[in-house]
Amino acid sequence: QQKVQQSPESLIVPEGAMTSLNCTFSDSASQYFAWYRQHSGKAPKALMSIFSNGEKEEGRFTIHLNKASLHFSLHIRDSQPSDSALYLCAVSISSGTYQRFGTGTKLQVVP
Amino acid sequence: EAAVTQSPRNKVTVTGGNVTLSCRQTNSHNYMYWYRQDTGHGLRLIHYSYGAGNLQIGDVPDGYKATRTTQEDFFLLLELASPSQTSLYFCASSDGTGDTEVFFGKGTRLTVV
Repeated sequence: QQKVQQSPESLIVPEGAMTSLNCTFSDSASQYFAWYRQHSGKAPKALMSIFSNGEKEEGRFTIHLNKASLHFSLHIRDSQPSDSALYLCAVSISSGTYQRFGTGTKLQVVP
Repeated sequence: EAAVTQSPRNKVTVTGGNVTLSCRQTNSHNYMYWYRQDTGHGLRLIHYSYGAGNLQIGDVPDGYKATRTTQEDFFLLLELASPSQTSLYFCASSDGTGDTEVFFGKGTRLTVV
């Protein structure tokens, strides 16, 4: 069964800093990789996703994917207090299977 | 944006009691899911469905039943609730399964005493 793990479990960064969150997965056949963000007391909401090796940038957020290393990451440039949330990574093998989620990284951005 | 509505939002029941959690999505998505979220375990899939009358098991199905009555409605049933089922439950929907965005409801906080 696919195992999806995140690190660190929690993180405190100052406003304006670069934040890096990590996700590792166990199945080399995985094809879809996504990050979700969940603010306190709210539902998880998709942030961005990637299919191919490399990186993808959307505004202050960048995903890096290295399938050979079974690793992908989320980088947040110029972190803001509004970025404080639980970040969940998700992985699936193909369109015919469901996404499995990691245990989450709790991010706090302090002014 | 996709809308997924869960009810009730909070529920307290006794050990051995029956509980039904309801979920409705109004975006014509084929797939619907029930997850539970617990500290240290993240989101774990209980059951999912790809259409009315269909049911698939997820990663943690024991102690749960589910039923998809229409494309819009998906129910999670706990027939003999146990304290280990105290959790935050999320319903979700999507167009496809593995490679499309999953849209979540606001969650149901269930406490089994």
